[in-house]
Amino acid sequence: GNSVTQMEGPVTLSEEAFLTINCTYTATGYPSLFWYVQYPGEGLQLLLKATKADDKGSNKGFEATYRKETTSFHLEKGSVQVSDSAVYFCALSDRGSQGNLIFGKGTKLSVKP
Amino acid sequence: DTAVSQTPKYLVTQMGNDKSIKCEQNLGHDTMYWYKQDSKKFLKIMFSYNNKELIINETVPNRFSPKSPDKAHLNLHINSLELGDSAVYFCASSGGGTKETQYFGPGTRLLVL
Repeated sequence: GNSVTQMEGPVTLSEEAFLTINCTYTATGYPSLFWYVQYPGEGLQLLLKATKADDKGSNKGFEATYRKETTSFHLEKGSVQVSDSAVYFCALSDRGSQGNLIFGKGTKLSVKP
Repeated sequence: DTAVSQTPKYLVTQMGNDKSIKCEQNLGHDTMYWYKQDSKKFLKIMFSYNNKELIINETVPNRFSPKSPDKAHLNLHINSLELGDSAVYFCASSGGGTKETQYFGPGTRLLVL
């Protein structure tokens, strides 16, 4: 079945450091891919998405490119801020099941001043 | 103004009780979902529902039942609560032009004693 694998956290970085959170997927067909972010005590917010191969999603300085050849959707940011501290979830949309999202296990990011 | 809202935000109850969590969306979406987030932050789909079809994750106990009085609401009813039901429950919705993008509520933190 479809699945998403994320790098395990927690990840601790200093402010202005470069961030990469790896995400790979297994899916039949061509799912849409998403990154969601969960700030402490809050619900999930869509961060960015890509719907087909080679698409790049971007938002708030974060980027991820849909790589079909490596089945990956790694999240990157050039310079993190303390306010980016959150849990990040990679997900794919299971088109065969009303678009249910299949999530990775989440990666907790802590950014220190 | 809240797009997807849930009540209550916190729910503390005794084992064996029956409880409901309400979800409402004002986005005009036609599909709604319930997810469970466990203590390790892992998110898993429980149900997805539109006005034509209910899809149930086969791992969800039949003590859990979704009830939809209309297109804007999908409530979650839980019978005979167990300790293992303690988790955060998220409602989400999707539809319209961005069908695959799901918008999440703030979550309901359920603690079963």
